[in-house]
Amino acid sequence: EAQVTQNPRYLITVTGKKLTVTCSQNMNHEYMSWYRQDPGLGLRQIYYSMNVEVTDKGDVPEGYKVSRKEKRNFPLILESPSPNQTSLYFCASSEMRLANNEQFFGPGTRLTVL
Amino acid sequence: QKEVEQDPGPLSVPEGAIVSLNCTYSNSAFQYFMWYRQYSRKGPELLMYTYSSGNKEDGRFTAQVDKSSKYISLFIRDSQPSDSATYLCAMRGNAGNMLTFGGGTRLMVKP
Repeated sequence: EAQVTQNPRYLITVTGKKLTVTCSQNMNHEYMSWYRQDPGLGLRQIYYSMNVEVTDKGDVPEGYKVSRKEKRNFPLILESPSPNQTSLYFCASSEMRLANNEQFFGPGTRLTVL
Repeated sequence: QKEVEQDPGPLSVPEGAIVSLNCTYSNSAFQYFMWYRQYSRKGPELLMYTYSSGNKEDGRFTAQVDKSSKYISLFIRDSQPSDSATYLCAMRGNAGNMLTFGGGTRLMVKP
């Protein structure tokens, strides 16, 4: 089954404790991205990657890091989480040349930073 | 001002009603327009997309784009309780894959 998986699905942590949210896709997609979703603000892009070892900032990159060492994986790293990073996070992937830009989303990770 | 504006709702309608969901935008470079549907505790799924201006129909769903007014709409005919979800508009320009999303409208269809 074609899918994007994220782990963990739920996470409660404390300020300053480094964490990683994993993302993996099995569709051989070149493009992957991370979004955060907050009430009334919709989905805002954090980082994206157009291929292995190619990453770039989205609209809200502050406080986040990413890496793309393999095509299928795109982990999101919070080196020192803060309460304003409490949010619902989605990983997404798509082909690079798909005109309709269908991005396939993972199930989401709900993060709470105390 | 946000680049893409969308009424957050919630919008509550009876089963069988025609639903109209809308977004306005400010960036005239946007060329691809999409509607995503997001059920509770799930990731968004692409529902429809349109390139440039015009209409597109798929079953009970019709997407309309009016670039002159910078206004897009999604119509749902004969709405069903299973249509209850949050609907997000999204759009992008010709280059790259980066999408700009609206805030989403929560729709509730009551049996």
